[in-house]
Amino acid sequence: GAVVSQHPSRVICKSGTSVKIECRSLDFQATTMFWYRQFPKKSLMLMATSNEGSKATYEQGVEKDKFLINHASLTLSTLTVTSAHPEDSSFYICSARVLKEDSYNEQFFGPGTRLTVL
Amino acid sequence: DAKTTQPTSMDCAEGRAANLPCNHSTISGNEYVYWYRQIHSQGPQYIIHGLKNNETNEMASLIITEDRKSSTLILPHATLRDTAVYYCIVRPSPYNQGGKLIFGQGTELSVKP
Repeated sequence: GAVVSQHPSRVICKSGTSVKIECRSLDFQATTMFWYRQFPKKSLMLMATSNEGSKATYEQGVEKDKFLINHASLTLSTLTVTSAHPEDSSFYICSARVLKEDSYNEQFFGPGTRLTVL
Repeated sequence: DAKTTQPTSMDCAEGRAANLPCNHSTISGNEYVYWYRQIHSQGPQYIIHGLKNNETNEMASLIITEDRKSSTLILPHATLRDTAVYYCIVRPSPYNQGGKLIFGQGTELSVKP
């Protein structure tokens, strides 16, 4: 099956700093990538949808200047949490979607990145 | 997207079948039912999906009622490794360009020895 990786898997940073999380589709080209966040004991919340070469579409209530998304290639998307604060501590999960030959959109999830802001 | 309702938690004895229900009474004609699971501190894992027919794969079976307003995910012989949160998601046709996977609260399944 297709593999989606995230780096780093875990990061601890000081309040006020910015953190970049990478999401890569290892053996396929992703038409679309998605970013989710998940608080403890809660479900995944979709943050934004990004397509290669175009601006990301953010869900309502998600600050685009706070969570910068760059989708520079068909295999790489990055999420930068700018000026991170303790309330940004969360589990961030990316997902990559690929369009198969039969026009079926298949979606795969990364293993997640645990961000802790001190 | 249609919303889903699932029990918050369920227990299952190891080796027995786990039957996880999902209510999606507002599902529309071109929406599919997807099931994912998330083991603690990992990304979601795809299990199975269907439109109106029952489906089976190496992981599970999906039973969709004739009116499509509810479905049941069946893990035929649950193991301790099946302990996870199971999400039932209704989404637009995967054959369209659009459509997002929106997660509800899911069912926390605990498989006990």
